[in-house]
Amino acid sequence: SQTIHQWPATLVQPVGSPLSLECTVEGTSNPNLYWYRQAAGRGLQLLFYSVGIGQISSEVPQNLSASRPQDRQFILSSKKLLLSDSGFYLCAWSRDVSGNTIYFGEGSWLTVV
Amino acid sequence: GEDVEQSLFLSVREGDSSVINCTYTDSSSTYLYWYKQEPGAGLQLLTYIFSNMDMKQDQRLTVLLNKKDKHLSLRIADTQTGDSAIYFCAEFENTGKLIFGQGTTLQVKP
Repeated sequence: SQTIHQWPATLVQPVGSPLSLECTVEGTSNPNLYWYRQAAGRGLQLLFYSVGIGQISSEVPQNLSASRPQDRQFILSSKKLLLSDSGFYLCAWSRDVSGNTIYFGEGSWLTVV
Repeated sequence: GEDVEQSLFLSVREGDSSVINCTYTDSSSTYLYWYKQEPGAGLQLLTYIFSNMDMKQDQRLTVLLNKKDKHLSLRIADTQTGDSAIYFCAEFENTGKLIFGQGTTLQVKP
């Protein structure tokens, strides 16, 4: 069966420090991968999505970046965190562009202090 | 650009039906989804509908899709206090993008 893992689950980082959130998918190949952010009391904002290795589409210009070094690995990074980067980050995958199966990771709570 | 809109809040009494509405703008949507998020938790897929369907029923949940008006609704029959949560609609486009609405907070009063 397919599973998705996301870590770390929670982290507290000072302003200006780097960030790395990692997401891996098991049990499938060539998934579509997504990073979302949910700020407190707000909806889900699509940050990045990837339809293949090395193919990253950015939806929101900001100080975050994403990379897909392997087929089932999606990494969200920042060189210098801002206070406004605090939020709940969710990784997700779908089987292909048909979209009929989409699964979310457990989420990562980031607090920038 | 693409946009998905929902009303932010809905309050109903236990046992009543709840109807959560959503509008979207992109006509290339292939699938439309409803997700549920309970406090402090991740997203749970409730149901989805393919864009060439008008209706889908799954136990207490009924999804209606009006493709002409780009309007999606989720009806929860016999709403229970355990249904209190934030409900997100989302559209999946054939480019691979998955766009969410802002979420509707459903409050169920006993």
